[in-house]
Amino acid sequence: RKEVEQDPGPFNVPEGATVAFNCTYSNSASQSFFWYRQDCRKEPKLLMSVYSSGNEDGRFTAQLNRASQYISLLIRDSKLSDSATYLCVVTPYGGATNKLIFGTGTLLAVQP
Amino acid sequence: EAGVAQSPRYKIIEKRQSVAFWCNPISGHATLYWYQQILGQGPKLLIQFQNNGVVDDSQLPKDRFSAERLKGVDSTLKIQPAKLEDSAVYLCASSLPSGGAVNEQFFGPGTRLTVL
Repeated sequence: RKEVEQDPGPFNVPEGATVAFNCTYSNSASQSFFWYRQDCRKEPKLLMSVYSSGNEDGRFTAQLNRASQYISLLIRDSKLSDSATYLCVVTPYGGATNKLIFGTGTLLAVQP
Repeated sequence: EAGVAQSPRYKIIEKRQSVAFWCNPISGHATLYWYQQILGQGPKLLIQFQNNGVVDDSQLPKDRFSAERLKGVDSTLKIQPAKLEDSAVYLCASSLPSGGAVNEQFFGPGTRLTVL
């Protein structure tokens, strides 16, 4: 079983739609959680951190469910510029090593 | 502020040849990472340095891959000899030293390697 699992998509949605991505992780001891964004043929960039209490940044909301080992990302009012691959990321040991474990990514294509 | 620099951006070699990649991290970032990203997959950590010491190289194929960061700044990653399955993007990232909270990693543009 992969440490971090995501639906690879693609998710094809019209502009203005709301879209949600999910991710599961296998190591219950995982400490920190993130969503990274990767544009086509570019490097990954941190989108946001994920907390049990939820984290909202504009049109983006991330949520963590530790009991179910499940992470989600919600994008409201999708823009063309949101088209990218969204990578779910966990750290297995917390801050001791800063090691990141990436999922395979979910491809989002927002269409006009 | 300058970001993480990598070179070359692209490299095409034949199998069994050798190749080296170079990375210059963000100034002041003591921690440096090399990742391998195969098409359709997320990045996979190959090796992590803190200053010039190795923190984690558990997923580095040591029979053919090597990396060094001699002066605690720039780093090189070498593959010798290359195999077809090494075709991937090699990403370098850097961050402030780990300890307590997880620090954001900043990625370079990557080197796209094609092994024929």
